[in-house]
Amino acid sequence: GQQLNQSPQSMFIQEGEDVSMNCTSSSIFNTWLWYKQDPGEGPVLLIALYKAGELTSNGRLTAQFGITRKDSFLNISASIPSDVGIYFCAGQLETGNQFYFGTGTSLTVIP
Amino acid sequence: KAGVTQTPRYLIKTRGQQVTLSCSPISGHRSVSWYQQTPGQGLQFLFEYFSETQRNKGNFPGRFSGRQFSNSRSEMNVSTLELGDSALYLCASSPTTGNTEAFFGQGTRLTVV
Repeated sequence: GQQLNQSPQSMFIQEGEDVSMNCTSSSIFNTWLWYKQDPGEGPVLLIALYKAGELTSNGRLTAQFGITRKDSFLNISASIPSDVGIYFCAGQLETGNQFYFGTGTSLTVIP
Repeated sequence: KAGVTQTPRYLIKTRGQQVTLSCSPISGHRSVSWYQQTPGQGLQFLFEYFSETQRNKGNFPGRFSGRQFSNSRSEMNVSTLELGDSALYLCASSPTTGNTEAFFGQGTRLTVV
């Protein structure tokens, strides 16, 4: 299957700091998604991106669809304790409807 | 609007047994996808059902199967369970096939002993 490399694997940050994470692939994707998963819960969709270069915000979260269509980025500004969780990227290839998920970035926010 | 409901939440089975998991999608959603989540492999796509037909299938052995009913509820079955099948099984519902607005359930935590 497709391999989505997500980095960093984990982050420990102070409350109020900004966070950046990214997802790369060797294949071209036509859709990128970012999810957050809390312990014991299913992933929740944060942002969906459909065009190369697209920059979309959802509150303090901003995600970008890379120009090469092989990567995507997620930024969280002014982190707060409830941002704690695992963030996943997911991509959809040009052909077919299957979504492939990254391995996740575990975020810990220290108050 | 009720969310995606998966039952049971937790399950313990013995190696060699079979198991059936259930997923009720959001009302009006006709596509249901199943994923296996493990610490080592992350989220891996199992299959997608739309209008009672399997539309996409991931790279899993034939022991993993599913079906969808006319009310869009879906079941996933795993036969001859192996220790490595221990995982969180998630289902996601979407209005249509391939739709990006996928909403996940809380999952079923399966432990095989």
